[in-house]
Amino acid sequence: QQQVKQSPQSLIVQKGGIPIINCAYENTAFDYFPWYQQFPGKGPALLIAIRPDVSEKKEGRFTISFNKSAKQFSLHIMDSQPGDSATYFCAAISGQFYFGTGTSLTVIP
Amino acid sequence: EAQVTQNPRYLITVTGKKLTVTCSQNMNHEYMSWYRQDPGLGLRQIYYSMNVEVTDKGDVPEGYKVSRKEKRNFPLILESPSPNQTSLYFCASSGGAVWNEQFFGPGTRLTVL
Repeated sequence: QQQVKQSPQSLIVQKGGIPIINCAYENTAFDYFPWYQQFPGKGPALLIAIRPDVSEKKEGRFTISFNKSAKQFSLHIMDSQPGDSATYFCAAISGQFYFGTGTSLTVIP
Repeated sequence: EAQVTQNPRYLITVTGKKLTVTCSQNMNHEYMSWYRQDPGLGLRQIYYSMNVEVTDKGDVPEGYKVSRKEKRNFPLILESPSPNQTSLYFCASSGGAVWNEQFFGPGTRLTVL
């Protein structure tokens, strides 16, 4: 059973667009929600993370929106660039780490 | 340079032949973990360790063993590999005040024939 549901599976946007990746969870014991970015042939790398007592967090062009009542959170990438083309994973943590199934993002020049 | 290293990076083996994938970190992290990555399934945690001599099962522990005799090392052991263990494996570590921010190794691609 997938603890964290992620959508869409893939996403193609034009340069400058704002891709949005969504995740949903059920377990209210989760207390930390990171997003990881993975380039081909590399391990995932932490991009940005949020705690459930915060509704939004921005770091550069990356923003997490968090809706605690709906048990959903999303990643927005402002002014997307071809270099942002990668696979993105959301995760939820409570001792154990649970990852979403990943979203393959392609940013077209 | 702070890093997590894994060896080997690529391995092709046959069913039933015991193998070990090593993982080492130089950041003095307490928490170490193993994941497998499969298409459409994302990353799934196999085992994790909160500290030396403390290990716990993750989501998919069947067919795997781990040990944590030293803080820096966390080897993954497949006693009798089977084809359904063909996957991309990642080791990760974290610790200190931000124990939940994992640093991942470069991955080990394992094929079991």
